[in-house]
Amino acid sequence: QLQLQESGPGLVKPSETLSLTCTVSGGSISSSRYYWGWIRQPPGKGLEWIGSIYYSGITYYNPSLRSRVTMSVDTSKNQFSLKLSSVTAADTAVYYCARDRDWNYGFDYWGQGTLVTVSS
Amino acid sequence: EIVLTQSPATLSLSPGERATLSCRASQSVSSYLAWYQQKPGQAPSLLIYDASNRATGIPARFSGSGSGTDFTLTISSLEPEDFAVYYCQQRSNWPRCTFGQGTKVEIK
Repeated sequence: QLQLQESGPGLVKPSETLSLTCTVSGGSISSSRYYWGWIRQPPGKGLEWIGSIYYSGITYYNPSLRSRVTMSVDTSKNQFSLKLSSVTAADTAVYYCARDRDWNYGFDYWGQGTLVTVSS
Repeated sequence: EIVLTQSPATLSLSPGERATLSCRASQSVSSYLAWYQQKPGQAPSLLIYDASNRATGIPARFSGSGSGTDFTLTISSLEPEDFAVYYCQQRSNWPRCTFGQGTKVEIK
């Protein structure tokens, strides 16, 4: 059974960089069938796609966040990562990592999510 | 960017009743639309893909329909575990995507 687990600091100061890692177990991140995505959810609000990465390193980002987002992948560790720079309180959210399969499918496996609070 | 508008924002129904949720896209997304269910404190889970196909393990009371710009998620007879928030997601420019703002199905 595929499992995804987010890890990283739960508290980040304003103007600093948020860094999270998603560790994939029970399957290979190097499969050609999937992209790997980050989605966030501010408290009490809806879902926002942040970006997605392929095992080769190809990335796609939400245009509204593109200037601040960097995603990377480490196939040797079966991990992918998110960096979000210059954070503000508006970036406080639960951050999810998930596996994305095909145009006509969806995010079929999700991590449990990790709350990141931006506060001094 | 394609905007998805879900309606209503909240649906108050009783167990056993039929739920009809709407998702409208600002431009055609063909059939590249998925639906997710999210319960409090949990990650979303995939319900419907390609507008009308149930994901693995999803009960038959859940059905999706539509294409182009207008989509519907129907729960034929609400079970207690179905009270949750439902999101649509368009994937017409995959892997880029956008989500709707969600519809909460609450117990009346």
